[in-house]
Amino acid sequence: QSVLTQPPSVSGAPGQRVTISCTGSSSNFGAGYDVHWYQQLPGTAPKLLIFNNNNRPSGVPDRFSGSKSGTSASLAITGLQSEDDADYYCQSYDSSLGDSVFGGGTKLTVL
Amino acid sequence: QVQLVESGGGVVQPGRSLRLSCAASGFTFTTYAIHWVRQAPGKGLEWVAVISSDGRSKDYADSVKGRFTISRDNSKNTVFLQMNSLKTEDAAIFYCARSWGSSAYPFDYWGQGTLVTVSS
Repeated sequence: QSVLTQPPSVSGAPGQRVTISCTGSSSNFGAGYDVHWYQQLPGTAPKLLIFNNNNRPSGVPDRFSGSKSGTSASLAITGLQSEDDADYYCQSYDSSLGDSVFGGGTKLTVL
Repeated sequence: QVQLVESGGGVVQPGRSLRLSCAASGFTFTTYAIHWVRQAPGKGLEWVAVISSDGRSKDYADSVKGRFTISRDNSKNTVFLQMNSLKTEDAAIFYCARSWGSSAYPFDYWGQGTLVTVSS
């Protein structure tokens, strides 16, 4: 059972918008720690997608955006493309554990 | 360009040991913390351990505390993960990743991973 809770799966048609939620608690998001998001394509290593809640590394399309409010965070993907079909993970720091923590991951299926 | 290359994975029996390596290049190694993150087959990511840029601070997930030891050799730009008393549930792809500063920072580059299989 992950400290950060994500839906196991979401889906959308090409061109549509989808969101992936990540629910935390007072010891991570609520304590002010940022959320980071990773994309893992099949058979590859995770890649940083969004950092510090809403910032994109160089090369990440602006179709990807992030937000955080209170003890929850979300990743939005607009203009869905087939290459977005992947697993997505949220990550933060938990002060009660004193460790980095990941969400359980969300499988995005592009229909 | 930034590269992290893991090695040392393989098949090992329960109770035995294995040492993983993470060789870094393309950046100033001594200014980054290095983490190990694992992924069991078909499962999600699990943070395992971190070592600070100077090697003085280390932290472990409860699931590996007392069995795994992280270390680094800044003269060789390499981080190690010594895994002792391996259990079947330790079987996973092990990734190393870097972060600026503490564990609250994002993991901005990852290696390709090395597979550890624990089986009798």
